[in-house]
Amino acid sequence: AQSVTQLDSHVSVSEGTPVLLRCNYSSSYSPSLFWYVQHPNKGLQLLLKYTSAATLVKGINGFEAEFKKSETSFHLTKPSAHMSDAAEYFCVVSGAGTYKYIFGTGTRLKVLA
Amino acid sequence: GAGVSQSPRYKVAKRGQDVALRCDPISGHVSLFWYQQALGQGPEFLTYFQNEAQLDKSGLPSDRFFAERPEGSVSTLKIQRTQQEDSAVYLCASSFEDRNTEAFFGQGTRLTVV
Repeated sequence: AQSVTQLDSHVSVSEGTPVLLRCNYSSSYSPSLFWYVQHPNKGLQLLLKYTSAATLVKGINGFEAEFKKSETSFHLTKPSAHMSDAAEYFCVVSGAGTYKYIFGTGTRLKVLA
Repeated sequence: GAGVSQSPRYKVAKRGQDVALRCDPISGHVSLFWYQQALGQGPEFLTYFQNEAQLDKSGLPSDRFFAERPEGSVSTLKIQRTQQEDSAVYLCASSFEDRNTEAFFGQGTRLTVV
């Protein structure tokens, strides 16, 4: 069975400071892991994905995530937050040989001016 | 098309009414998925098509929910005799393959049952 836990439902940061959104996963197989962002009234947009290549994954808009098997984590980071980063972020796991996405409950990121 | 298109964007239905939600996937995408996103929650899997074949419908909450993709492109999710607990955003996604590939999501249809 697969599952994903997003450890924070809300995160607030000041503009220009680092962002850390935490995600832990559980998977019986080598997982594929994704981070999606959802802006209000917009569709889910892929930020980045891990599919058993490099453990440090770089995505769009300056985001990156590191796959740590020993910690079963896939935390999302960005060195400097921008106002436009304010949105809902979802960590997603999909196990090898399966097509279903298992979503976390989401983390709402608020960026303060 | 340029992306996954869903219609209508918003639907208000009276309890007991039947509704039909449409999804136009990206041209050439083999796989199509439906997800349900309740308020404040992450999306949850409903059903999966590979071309016209519905390979997995394990996430459909009840037999009032029915999905089809008769020609392997456009898909329709139908909900019969809607109930208040059906209120949610219904998301459609498509991907070129079925495994370990990026799924592209539509903007969703927000269904409100009153």
